[in-house]
Amino acid sequence: QVQLVESGGGVVRPGGSLRLSCSASGFIFSDYGIHWVRQAPGKGLQWVAFIRFDGHNRYFADSVRGRVTISRDNSKSTVYLQLNSVTAEDTAMYYCARDPSPNWGDYYFDYWGQGTLVTVSS
Amino acid sequence: NFMLTQPHSVSDSPGKTVTISCTRSSGSIASNSVHWYQQRPGSSPTTLIFENNRRPSGVPDRFSGSIDYSSNSASLTISGLKAEDEADYYCQSYDGSRVFGGGTKLTVL
Repeated sequence: QVQLVESGGGVVRPGGSLRLSCSASGFIFSDYGIHWVRQAPGKGLQWVAFIRFDGHNRYFADSVRGRVTISRDNSKSTVYLQLNSVTAEDTAMYYCARDPSPNWGDYYFDYWGQGTLVTVSS
Repeated sequence: NFMLTQPHSVSDSPGKTVTISCTRSSGSIASNSVHWYQQRPGSSPTTLIFENNRRPSGVPDRFSGSIDYSSNSASLTISGLKAEDEADYYCQSYDGSRVFGGGTKLTVL
């Protein structure tokens, strides 16, 4: 069965950086695009970033563009999200989610991971 | 760009039918598909309805999606309410980016 497992969350100081990982199994990883979606405590869902099946195209939400990078290693079935210059507004549960398509477009999220919590605090 | 507006909360008793709306602020609701996610307390979201009215395998037919062109909105209808349906529900669409509604908390009385 499809599984997405996030890791790398924790407490990070304002202005700091951290890298989140999303490890996938149960499907042909290199056939699918992968997203990151976050949820601040008690708040709704916010799309963050997307990487195409081959890693050649990336898309970012305006709120994080310039501070976030997304990459993937298809040999390891893993997607990474690097957050830089974090602020309190980046405090959230970060979910990776699979796209049913390999490419960017008018699609949805068909499978979700369990999330990893990022807390920005001094 | 557009926004998706959902009611903050809805509630009803077991066995009843409840509908959650998702209103698009500009542009036609028909321009892009609407999808729905369920998030039970303490859990990650799961896909409930995709492409307006399609259910992933395993989702009961008590859950259905529809589009109302007159109100420029999408709706999620849950019939035969059960206690386990108590959750947050999010609609999502696309405007060149992935857009979520603010979420609706369903309480089963």
